[in-house]
Amino acid sequence: DTGVSQDPRHKITKRGQNVTFRCDPISEHNRLYWYRQTLGQGPEFLTYFQNEAQLEKSRLLSDRFSAERPKGSFSTLEIQRTEQGDSAMYLCASSFNPMGLAYNEQFFGPGTRLTVL
Amino acid sequence: AQKVTQAQTEISVVEKEDVTLDCVYETRDTTYYLFWYKQPPSGELVFLIRRNSFDEQNEISGRYSWNFQKSTSSFNFTITASQVVDSAVYFCALIAAERYNNNDMRFGAGTRLTVKP
Repeated sequence: DTGVSQDPRHKITKRGQNVTFRCDPISEHNRLYWYRQTLGQGPEFLTYFQNEAQLEKSRLLSDRFSAERPKGSFSTLEIQRTEQGDSAMYLCASSFNPMGLAYNEQFFGPGTRLTVL
Repeated sequence: AQKVTQAQTEISVVEKEDVTLDCVYETRDTTYYLFWYKQPPSGELVFLIRRNSFDEQNEISGRYSWNFQKSTSSFNFTITASQVVDSAVYFCALIAAERYNNNDMRFGAGTRLTVKP
């Protein structure tokens, strides 16, 4: 399977615990995105990387959230001191954007569903 | 400000009926990109189409067609002869090119389509 993969698919945690999610993008894609989707809503942009550089962060990304893409391949999203409001589906997407092409379709992974008790 | 409105929360049709999903967008930018994604029950968002603001040609792909009208800021999606497999949540999304590196894709709340046999 050469699509975007995410791990784990489901995570249940207690309030106050830290969690980390992983995303493996399509191999030749240079951009990687993180979104959050709550029930009945569309995905909301959190942040994106061009190769290893984190170029944009949404105001939704509080100080408890941190994302990395150390080698420009896979990415991790960590949430510290989780709160019940963090319960959501966390989606990762990737795209290939050659020089001069700012936008291109994003391919999404299956998501990680987080439940904070 | 960028905003996408999908006024239809849920639509139910019987197989073989045609159905149109509405999408209205707001942006002050003259350059922007519109997208449609499908989210089947498995949860993975599937890219359907991208359209830039300078291309108002309507597009047809099999049973799918899209009607882009800048005058009414709408980008509607029609499925002809619907099938049960079309049952999913459909999202319209917008990226406005105010800044070159703006990758904040704004999604509508989605329209849940149910096609009954």
